[in-house]
Order: sequence, then C-alpha cells, then structure tokens
Amino acid sequence: GAVVSQHPSRVICKSGTSVKIECRSLDFQATTMFWYRQFPKQSLMLMATSNEGSKATYEQGVEKDKFLINHASLTLSTLTVTSAHPEDSSFYICSAGSASTDTQYFGPGTRLTVL
Amino acid sequence: GDSVTQMEGPVTLSEEAFLTINCTYTATGYPSLFWYVQYPGEGLQLLLKATKADDKGSNKGFEATYRKETTSFHLEKGSVQVSDSAVYFCALSEGKSSGDKLTFGTGTRLAVRP
Repeated sequence: GAVVSQHPSRVICKSGTSVKIECRSLDFQATTMFWYRQFPKQSLMLMATSNEGSKATYEQGVEKDKFLINHASLTLSTLTVTSAHPEDSSFYICSAGSASTDTQYFGPGTRLTVL
Repeated sequence: GDSVTQMEGPVTLSEEAFLTINCTYTATGYPSLFWYVQYPGEGLQLLLKATKADDKGSNKGFEATYRKETTSFHLEKGSVQVSDSAVYFCALSEGKSSGDKLTFGTGTRLAVRP
C-alpha cells in the first residue's frame, strides 16, 4: 500500500527556536497534503491543506506566520513551527491524498516537545 | 459545521467477543464516511469507507453501514482478536476525492484481552 513518512519522529527544542517537520509520500504523488495536530486523548485537528505549487489554506484560528507550510514537490511537504513555545508541544500528523485510490494516507506523526 | 461523535473509550473486550463502536455525524450535505485505525506506534490507516446512504464498508472482518436516517456509521466486528487492539477513528468528508478534508471523531481505544 501507499506509504507516507514523517521526519523526525520526535523532536525536543528550546523555546524560541524553529523546527521543521517533513512529510513524504514514498511511492505515489500527492497533489494535496494535509497537516493535523493531535492533543492527548483528543481528535485530530486539521491545521492546513497544502497543494503542490501554491500557498497552503489554513483553518480558522491557525496562525499561518507561525506554522509555515511548503509543498515544493508532489512528494514532499514541510511544516515549520517558528519561534516555538511550550504550548506548541503536540503530536503533528500529515496525510497525503492519492488521486488514483481516492484515499488519504497518513504519516506516523511527529512528537514535538518545546522546553 | 461538520462534526463526528463517537463513543468514548476505552473499550475492553475478551478475545472472540462482539464489537460495536458507535459513530454519529452532522453534515450539511451527503458526506463520505470512514473508519481509520491507528495501531500502537503507527500512522492512521484506512479501515473501511462508504460513500453513499445504505452502502456497507467492510475490511478484515469489520463492517459499517452508512445510515442516513440515523446519521450513523457504527463499526462492528463479530469476533475480535488481540491484534485488533488499537485506536479507531470515525471520520467524514464532504467531498468524494482524496483532496477533500476529513473531520474526525475523538477516537475510541480498543483493548482485547487474550
């Protein structure tokens, strides 16, 4: 089946630094990728929709200057958390849409801890 | 806006027991409905889906029927195994393509005892 990878799987950083998370579709091309945030014992909250070659569409309440999304190719999207603070600590999950199967495939997630 | 409500867990069952995880939804149109499963340490995987009323999605012994009249998509399995232990998410999408965003329920953790 289709595989989506995320890197890193875990990251710990100091407050004020920026962190980049990569999401790759390994065996298919994804015109659309999605970024979610998951809090403990809560649902996945969609942060933004990323389309290759164009600006991401952010959900209401998500700061686009804080969560920078770049979808530079059909197999790679990146999420950069700028000037991270402890409240940004969370589990970040990406998904990639496959047009051939009409299915979203999810990455394993990245655990971000901001000290 | 759209929303998905699913039963809170955790659900603990003995092996070979019958499983039901309830899911109801609110949507403005006629959404597609999904069940995703997340095994420990892994990403979400699509378990099954249904795109229109009365459709039944099935996979790996799991089934769910799209009930428009009750706005429900309950997940069932006749005989669970220890390997089914995971978190199950119900979700909906207003569109029919992989480029349409998903709205998720809170997830239900299932633990199956040997």
